[in-house]
Amino acid sequence: NAGVMQNPRHLVRRRGQEARLRCSPMKGHSHVYWYRQLPEEGLKFMVYLQKENIIDESGMPKERFSAEFPKEGPSILRIQQVVRGDSAAYFCASSPPLAGGGSYEQYFGPGTRLTVT
Amino acid sequence: AQTVTQSQPEMSVQEAETVTLSCTYDTSESDYYLFWYKQPPSRQMILVIRQEAYKQQNATENRFSVNFQKAAKSFSLKISDSQLGDAAMYFCAYRSRNFNKFYFGSGTKLNVKP
Repeated sequence: NAGVMQNPRHLVRRRGQEARLRCSPMKGHSHVYWYRQLPEEGLKFMVYLQKENIIDESGMPKERFSAEFPKEGPSILRIQQVVRGDSAAYFCASSPPLAGGGSYEQYFGPGTRLTVT
Repeated sequence: AQTVTQSQPEMSVQEAETVTLSCTYDTSESDYYLFWYKQPPSRQMILVIRQEAYKQQNATENRFSVNFQKAAKSFSLKISDSQLGDAAMYFCAYRSRNFNKFYFGSGTKLNVKP
């Protein structure tokens, strides 16, 4: 069973360009989460999605950031008009459907390191 | 919102010795889950151990064990017989039973000396 896959692993963008980060959850997992890790910091929650639904986007910046998890294909985190402050590692995690609030941990992908020049 | 605090930015341990990493958290909930994740230089997040708050027994996974003090809201990780491969960043994380997002601490960098 393949783990959570993220691509690209490294992405370089100039200021003002768009960044698109992809995440394929583990097989059988229908819940996807995106986290951002700034240098020397812990991971910060951004958004939680199920297929075709955004469940919790309380950690997403109000502007320039969007996320989707379509019925088919990977989840996409999109950052428009990137700025230097967007440089960070972006991690995707997935979990199986929950039953009664089960204790499922989240399985993390290897992350995408975004560098904005 | 829940907060997770790791007050030790960096620690060192001699190979084969034991080290304890500290974590405290703040919550008004009674049922939740706690985790320790390891992040080596590859940056891959690896689950080390987890604890359900309703279980009084401390979790153990081989050389890794926790000291869970619910009243004190403390969740420390003990690594016994430390190995060079244990060198990494360690993150403590909190998850509410009913909400799926994780709250992470700022991490502790563990150095293992040969």
